Amino acid sequence: DQQVKQNSPSLSVQEGRISILNCDYTNSMFDYFLWYKKYPAEGPTFLISISSIKDKNEDGRFTVFLNKSAKHLSLHIVPSQPGDSAVYFCACFEGAQKLVFGQGTRLTINP
Amino acid sequence: EAEVAQSPRYKITEKSQAVAFWCDPISGHATLYWYRQILGQGPELLVQFQDESVVDDSQLPKDRFSAERLKGVDSTLKIQPAELGDSAMYLCASSFWVNTEAFFGQGTRLTVV
Repeated sequence: DQQVKQNSPSLSVQEGRISILNCDYTNSMFDYFLWYKKYPAEGPTFLISISSIKDKNEDGRFTVFLNKSAKHLSLHIVPSQPGDSAVYFCACFEGAQKLVFGQGTRLTINP
Repeated sequence: EAEVAQSPRYKITEKSQAVAFWCDPISGHATLYWYRQILGQGPELLVQFQDESVVDDSQLPKDRFSAERLKGVDSTLKIQPAELGDSAMYLCASSFWVNTEAFFGQGTRLTVV
């Protein structure tokens, strides 16, 4: 049973435009959400997080939005840069429970 | 800059052999995770430690996998015997406490032949 779903395996965006990556979850007990970026042959790198008490968190070009009623979060990257090309994972915590990952979305930024 | 250290980076082993991976978390991080990632999928938790205690190993194939964190610092994940289906990236991560950002190492790419 996939508790965290990233339904788009891949996304292609023009350099300078906005990239929007989406994530849906089923467990209403999840209360802390994170986005990770992963390059080939490397471990995931933490990008940004959001607590369930907030609906938006911003860090430079990265903004995460949380819609608890829809059990949906999204990552916005603006403007998109070639170095942003990577696989992006959303991950969810339930209290002190394990960190559960989605399947990932491969983002390609085209010049 | 503090980082999670993992070794080796790459490992090729024959099936039925034993293999071990090592992880040194960021200093002061009480929580340590071992994840397995198969290409095209998200990381899947194998085992989670809080200090030296296992808090979740529900997805660890205990007939062949074992993990320890004896002094609550570095950790070893062992597979014996290795099977072809164990080929994957094995990732170690640590966090200051549960429910805080987890930081990952570079991973160990295992190929079982």
